[in-house]
Amino acid sequence: KQEVTQIPAALSVPEGENLVLNCSFTDSAIYNLQWFRQDPGKGLTSLLLIQSSQREQTSGRLNASLDKSSGRSTLYIAASQPGDSATYLCAPLGYSTLTFGKGTMLLVSP
Amino acid sequence: DAGVIQSPRHEVTEMGQEVTLRCKPISGHNSLFWYRQTMMRGLELLIYFNNNVPIDDSGMPEDRFSAKMPNASFSTLKIQPSEPRDSAVYFCASSRMPGQGNSYEQYFGPGTRLTVT
Repeated sequence: KQEVTQIPAALSVPEGENLVLNCSFTDSAIYNLQWFRQDPGKGLTSLLLIQSSQREQTSGRLNASLDKSSGRSTLYIAASQPGDSATYLCAPLGYSTLTFGKGTMLLVSP
Repeated sequence: DAGVIQSPRHEVTEMGQEVTLRCKPISGHNSLFWYRQTMMRGLELLIYFNNNVPIDDSGMPEDRFSAKMPNASFSTLKIQPSEPRDSAVYFCASSRMPGQGNSYEQYFGPGTRLTVT
């Protein structure tokens, strides 16, 4: 059974900092890995999807890497902004099903 | 596209009552997923459908939970009878069906916040 761990559980940074969110998973037999953002009381917004054959995926200030063999992914956020404050969830995909970590709660202060 | 649509957005009901949650997936997506989110357990997959057929319902917690997908544009999750421990946010998601070594993003609806008193 896939298990996903996200570190840190919470992170508070001042605006402008670059930061890294970490995700590890136990079963490397995955098809892809998605990073999501969840604002309080809201649904999940897909940020990035990395296919298992890829090493990196970029979207704006976000960069996600995937090391499938070691069961790790990182989400790098450049020049953080208060609007980035949210919970970030990592979810590797088996054949059809996503398994979610508990998330990293990010607070970016002005 | 309007995205994944869920209704109702909020539901408050008394213990013992039947609850029905509804989902309309994104047009053209033929995989549909129901998840539940709680503070204690995080996000858990309850059941998923491919081409309207239930594929894996191992996450459904009890026989009180049932899900149907009568056509490609509609799915329901029913809880009967409801209990306070069913209080959670229920999400529906959809994607293109994986195959031929390809896999696709899942898109989530806004969720239904269920409170059972």
